[in-house]
Amino acid sequence: GAGVSQSPSNKVTEKGKDVELRCDPISGHTALYWYRQSLGQGLEFLIYFQGNSAPDKSGLPSDRFSAERTGGSVSTLTIQRTQQEDSAVYLCASSARGQGAGSKNIQYFGAGTRLSVL
Amino acid sequence: KQEVTQIPAALSVPEGENLVLNCSFTDSAIYNLQWFRQDPGKGLTSLLLIQSSQREQTSGRLNASLDKSSGRSTLYIAASQPGDSATYLCAAQDDKIIFGKGTRLHILP
Repeated sequence: GAGVSQSPSNKVTEKGKDVELRCDPISGHTALYWYRQSLGQGLEFLIYFQGNSAPDKSGLPSDRFSAERTGGSVSTLTIQRTQQEDSAVYLCASSARGQGAGSKNIQYFGAGTRLSVL
Repeated sequence: KQEVTQIPAALSVPEGENLVLNCSFTDSAIYNLQWFRQDPGKGLTSLLLIQSSQREQTSGRLNASLDKSSGRSTLYIAASQPGDSATYLCAAQDDKIIFGKGTRLHILP
């Protein structure tokens, strides 16, 4: 497709289970971002991939959260041993270039995955 | 640490009015500032991006301004329409992108 695709659109899981969220960025985009939006809160940065560079993981809230980007394209965000406070909408975005001075860096967002932990 | 604040949190205005949404940020050393729109159950749509060297950007009925020295950006919407109802988010980018919590806009028909 032409846009950023995320799957599943909705995920309901039981506390303690592991979940995987998938993001398909726009073809050719080298930068990929994961964000989390909790109810009533703003967007929270989680992790950033740029090309083959080591990802910026500084936003991951705990070691239960991890992300991979295979082949510089599809990314998977994994949450292990889910907790109720993990319930949120997880948004993925991609851009043609990464961060930095002079970068136009328009980010295109997917529709998100709504995660509910019971 | 960069903090981004949007005021008001919610706004209702009659159709046809012009309106201004406000965004402030604490660290002026940003690369750019971006305004997004979010519709319920949807992802974000980028509206305007202002580079740090620019003072404003325009797209149709939208105009965004940037004043780095005062740490402020505004989004001006002219001749508002019911279809403009959405949550509007601003985001300041330095080494990361930090979002405000958004302004929920409701245009009354």
